[in-house]
Amino acid sequence: QVQLQESGPGLVKPSETLSLSCTVSGDSISSGYFWGWIRQPPGKGLEWIASIFQSGTTYYNPSLKSRVTISADTSRNQFSLKVNSVTAADTAVYYCARLIHDTAYSWGQGILVTVSS
Amino acid sequence: QSVLTQPPSVSAAPGQKVTISCSGSNSNIGNNYVSWYQQLPGTAPKLLIYQNNKRPSGIPDRFSGSKSGTSATLGITGLQTGDEADYYCGTWDNSLSAVFGGGTKLTVL
Repeated sequence: QVQLQESGPGLVKPSETLSLSCTVSGDSISSGYFWGWIRQPPGKGLEWIASIFQSGTTYYNPSLKSRVTISADTSRNQFSLKVNSVTAADTAVYYCARLIHDTAYSWGQGILVTVSS
Repeated sequence: QSVLTQPPSVSAAPGQKVTISCSGSNSNIGNNYVSWYQQLPGTAPKLLIYQNNKRPSGIPDRFSGSKSGTSATLGITGLQTGDEADYYCGTWDNSLSAVFGGGTKLTVL
């Protein structure tokens, strides 16, 4: 059974870079799945951020594409997210997930990231 | 504003049936599969329905999904208090982005 665990700082200053990692156990990120990030601002709905496929092909939410990078480290069985130039609007619970195309079959527990000085 | 439109809230009594709608367009629901997720308070979302009407292992058949044109519907029968949660629909949009509905809060009266 696959398990995903997000990690990273819970507090980031405005204009800085948010960096998160997702450690996967019970499956290889080189298997035939997509691996992605989805966020949820407090009290609001879900927003897909980005996904990466085993080949390294990446997909980004057009509204975030200019500030976001997703990458994978197969040696650590991890994938990561970077969001540049963060503002308070980037405050959210960030989930990593295993997907088949756009469908998130497995989710991490989520990590709250607050953008504040 | 979400790409997919869901009612903000629905309610029904225990044992009853409820449906939650999800409305989109030809660029998303009309040409792609729809998924549904359940988010219990304080927890991560969980996949309930994929490919419009399929249930992952472990999801009871009280939950069902359907799609017609540019709309999709989640049905829940035999409502239980434990079904109180937020429910989200999701699909792929031809703008090359996964999209979600704004979520529907289910209250079991």
